Amino acid sequence: LAKTTQPISMDSYEGQEVNITCSHNNIATNDYITWYQQFPSQGPRFIIQGYKTKVTNEVASLFIPADRKSSTLSLPRVSLSDTAVYYCLVGDRGSTLGRLYFGRGTQLTVWP
Amino acid sequence: EAQVTQNPRYLITVTGKKLTVTCSQNMNHEYMSWYRQDPGLGLRQIYYSMNVEVTDKGDVPEGYKVSRKEKRNFPLILESPSPNQTSLYFCASNPGPSRSEQYFGPGTRLTVT
Repeated sequence: LAKTTQPISMDSYEGQEVNITCSHNNIATNDYITWYQQFPSQGPRFIIQGYKTKVTNEVASLFIPADRKSSTLSLPRVSLSDTAVYYCLVGDRGSTLGRLYFGRGTQLTVWP
Repeated sequence: EAQVTQNPRYLITVTGKKLTVTCSQNMNHEYMSWYRQDPGLGLRQIYYSMNVEVTDKGDVPEGYKVSRKEKRNFPLILESPSPNQTSLYFCASNPGPSRSEQYFGPGTRLTVT
């Protein structure tokens, strides 16, 4: 099961672009990379998922280099409401499909 | 509305008194999981289930039991709760092998005195 390493915390200001990088050196061939967002006392919420190169949706972009040993979640023009914990997950598509590792996540604080 | 529900949302109990936290999903998802969240430790998976009657241990299964007799329900059982099980618990469901997103319940805050 591939585990991940993220910064514990990051700070930003409203209107800036935020990039959160996640390391996953042991990612397997069939693994996907998924990011979640969690507000205090709420369950995590899916943001974006990708396998390689770049994925973009209405909320964020996910950049994955060719070696796939890391990924970067990019949040454009953050606002105060983006203050949350962000988790990077690497999913095992083998015999342990249900097994997931969330880790500690990255606390993003957006200041006015 | 597609959702995962948990009950109770808040519970204060005493050491050793058996309790069950229920979890139900109405999306016909195959996979369901339980997590606990503690300050500084992030989310840790307790148990997961890939289908009816199929369950397996996550990272921190000690002191917990689960069952999956129906596809929609995945109760978490604490046979003899202890203070170190005081935590915020989340149930989640996932459609299955497509590995799309997990849908989380609202959480259950448990205090064991």
